[in-house]
Amino acid sequence: EAGVAQSPRYKIIEKRQSVAFWCNPISGHATLYWYQQILGQGPKLLIQFQNNGVVDDSQLPKDRFSAERLKGVDSTLKIQPAKLEDSAVYLCASSLLGADTQYFGPGTRLTVL
Amino acid sequence: GEDVEQSLFLSVREGDSSVINCTYTDSSSTYLYWYKQEPGAGLQLLTYIFSNMDMKQDQRLTVLLNKKDKHLSLRIADTQTGDSAIYFCAVESGGSYIPTFGRGTSLIVHP
Repeated sequence: EAGVAQSPRYKIIEKRQSVAFWCNPISGHATLYWYQQILGQGPKLLIQFQNNGVVDDSQLPKDRFSAERLKGVDSTLKIQPAKLEDSAVYLCASSLLGADTQYFGPGTRLTVL
Repeated sequence: GEDVEQSLFLSVREGDSSVINCTYTDSSSTYLYWYKQEPGAGLQLLTYIFSNMDMKQDQRLTVLLNKKDKHLSLRIADTQTGDSAIYFCAVESGGSYIPTFGRGTSLIVHP
């Protein structure tokens, strides 16, 4: 069974630029999560989708971050404009349903200069 | 909200047992997890325990839960160099199904 796929694996941008990350969850998983992991810290949830609807985006900085999950499968997370403090690994995870075990992708490491 | 604390580093000799500790604050915690993260990789779920259990064993892994003290531990028997990684404790509480993660314990295994 294929795992959660993410791209790109690495991205370096300058502050005030825009960036987008892509996630393809495990086939059949209804729930998709985006986490931000700052160096030396544990992952922090940014947004949770159930199919193509948002369940929880209370920790998403909506002035600069946006996410969508069209057709309830793939998802993109966008940052516009990026700040230095956005440097982190962005992890995507999926689960069959919200109460099930989450499976994580390898993450996208973002460096903002 | 939930607060999860872990020590940052643990160094052990190959073949010894490793014990990674975690404390949490929310007494209504339901599911408690241990994840492993190798360099450049995502998080891999190692094991989890329900709050109505006090111990779970899975091959070389033993999880102990002390609900009274809100303390969770992961014991790795016969630690190998391949066990070197960062181990995250994560706790779900309040029916949210969203775990709160600790900062991770970096396990270093030396020959």
